[in-house]
This record gives sequence, structure tokens and C-alpha cells, in this order.
Amino acid sequence: QSVLTQPPSVSGTPGQRVIISCSGASSNIGSNAVTWYQQLPGTAPRLLIYTNNQRPSGVPDRFSGSKSGTSASLTISGLRSEDEADYYCGTWDDNLNGRWVFGGGTKLTVL
Amino acid sequence: QVTLRESGPALVKPTETLTLTCNFSGFSLITRGMCVAWVRQPPGKALEWLALIDWDDDKYFNAFLKPRLTVSRDTSRNLVVLTMTNMDPVDTATYYCARVQSGFGGYYFDYWGHGTLVSVSS
Repeated sequence: QSVLTQPPSVSGTPGQRVIISCSGASSNIGSNAVTWYQQLPGTAPRLLIYTNNQRPSGVPDRFSGSKSGTSASLTISGLRSEDEADYYCGTWDDNLNGRWVFGGGTKLTVL
Repeated sequence: QVTLRESGPALVKPTETLTLTCNFSGFSLITRGMCVAWVRQPPGKALEWLALIDWDDDKYFNAFLKPRLTVSRDTSRNLVVLTMTNMDPVDTATYYCARVQSGFGGYYFDYWGHGTLVSVSS
């Protein structure tokens, strides 16, 4: 059971907007910045969003992040077939002398 | 250009100790804000953070695995070593090392190695 809760799966059709949620607690999302990662099949994770809503260079602006209280979300606009992947949220948790925590991951299917 | 590469045995036996090396280039682990982390992913399952070592040689561990983990660095050779004792078949996973940046914007894993699959079986 992950410290951060994500829906196991979401789906959408090309061009649609999908939102992936990430729910945590005051010790993690509530007090630390959130990151998001995309993992295409058979590849290493890739940083999509850092500091809640910042995109590294090279990440399309179709990807956006937000945070409110102890929850965060990743929005993918203008869905494309190549967005089909697993998505993970992650953040620092102040419990247990400090630790990093990932969500359980969300499988995005583009119908 | 930042790169990281994991190396180590593909197969270990139960109860053995796993030693993995992360060779990196393109940054220095003594630069303030720089860290290297280890993350694993069992087949078909989610990412699991294992450990992190930072520019000040401070170390952080997954609390549940801490008794089995050590992490060390060699800044002159640009490498980080992870050891995990008493390996079990449930530890079968792809093990990744990643560069982590930390600062006022929090921590983020911005570069990842390709990962190395470690199977635990007798």
C-alpha cells in the first residue's frame, strides 16, 4: 500500500483531457513539493513535473501539474496515443526521519 | 550531458548480499543540492524508493528496508554503491539509480539510468 494514493487506471480518447490525482497527507504533499514521472513500457521513468507545476525542458506544455492542500494532480491535455504509459507522483515525506515516497502509479490508456 | 549507468549481478541467490554500482557523469556529487537515489520496480509493479545519498554524504533510507541497506559514494570516481543484504525472491526487480536535485523547490529525480534487472533465485 503506497503512502500516496493514485487511481490504478484512467483512459481517454485522442484530443481529450485527462486528470490523474495523487492524494497524500500533511507530512508529504501537504508540506513538500510534488513531482510526476512518466514511464513508457520497458523504459526508465522520465521526469514530467517538478516543484508541483514546473516542466523540465522538452516536456510538452500539454502536461501540467497542480497542488492543493494534501492532494496533487497531473493534467494531460490534447491526449495523444504516445501518452499511453504509467504515471507516478512522488514527494518527500517528513515522517520516519525523512523519506521519499511514490504513488502506486496510474496506467493511462488512450482508446 | 548527465548519464547514469547501473551495474551488478543479474542473478543472486536467496540470503546473499546484492551489490550494485551506479556510475555517473555530467555532474559532481559534492555540488550542493546534488544527490543520487536508488529506486526499484518489481515486474509489473510500482516504483519503490530505496535510498538517497546527498552532496554532504547524508544518507536516507526506506524505513522498512533500512536494516538491509547501505549506500556509499566515491566522489573521485563518480560512483555510488548500494548493498542489500539477505536477498529474497521478493526482491526480484529492476533497480534504477537516478540523479536527484534538491533545493527550495524540493527534491526531484531528473535523470535516470536504464535500470538493471536483478533476479533472486536458487
